[in-house]
Amino acid sequence: QSVLTQPPSVSGAPGQRVTISCTGSSSNIGARYDVHWYQQLPGTAPQLLIYHNTNRPSGVPDRFSGSKSGSSASLAITGLQAEDEADYYCQSYDSSLGAWVFGGGTKLTVL
Amino acid sequence: QVTLKESGPALVKPTQTLTLTCTFSGFSLSSTGMRVAWIRQPPGKALEWLARIDWNDDKFYNTSLKTRLTISKDTSKNHVVLTMANMDPVDTATYYCARTPMVIGGFDMWGQGTTVTVSS
Repeated sequence: QSVLTQPPSVSGAPGQRVTISCTGSSSNIGARYDVHWYQQLPGTAPQLLIYHNTNRPSGVPDRFSGSKSGSSASLAITGLQAEDEADYYCQSYDSSLGAWVFGGGTKLTVL
Repeated sequence: QVTLKESGPALVKPTQTLTLTCTFSGFSLSSTGMRVAWIRQPPGKALEWLARIDWNDDKFYNTSLKTRLTISKDTSKNHVVLTMANMDPVDTATYYCARTPMVIGGFDMWGQGTTVTVSS
């Protein structure tokens, strides 16, 4: 069981907006460690989607955005497209564990 | 162009030691702030960070696996090697290496992964 909690699944229709939450604690997100987000398309390696809480690597559409508040972070996807159907993971550092940790992952289904 | 590629055995027996090699190109692990990590993903499960090695040869391990893991680098060959001792069927997973520059913080480039099955 991960120290970063994500909903197992979210869904939305094409064109809609969805958010994926990542809830941590005072030893990780709440301790002001940065949150990063990854997209994993079926059968492929993860790809960095958001780094340092809010930054997009070059090539990532601005439909993807990240935010962080307190011990939680969120990934928002606007203008949902069929190609966004994937697993999404948040990641941070946990000082109690002394380890970089991932959330349990959220499966996004585009209806 | 940055690339990383994992290599190693597809099948290992319980109690054996697994050795995986990450061969990369397009960056130097000698550059200040550059780092390479190993992450694994059991079938149908979440990602798990295993170890990281930095440009200055600092090494970090997942504390729950620390006694079994060793990470090393050969800068001249652009290799990072991970060994995991005493393999168990629960270690069956896809193993990824990934670049993680300090300025990014996250894992910005990943290899395609190599699948390792632990079975007698």
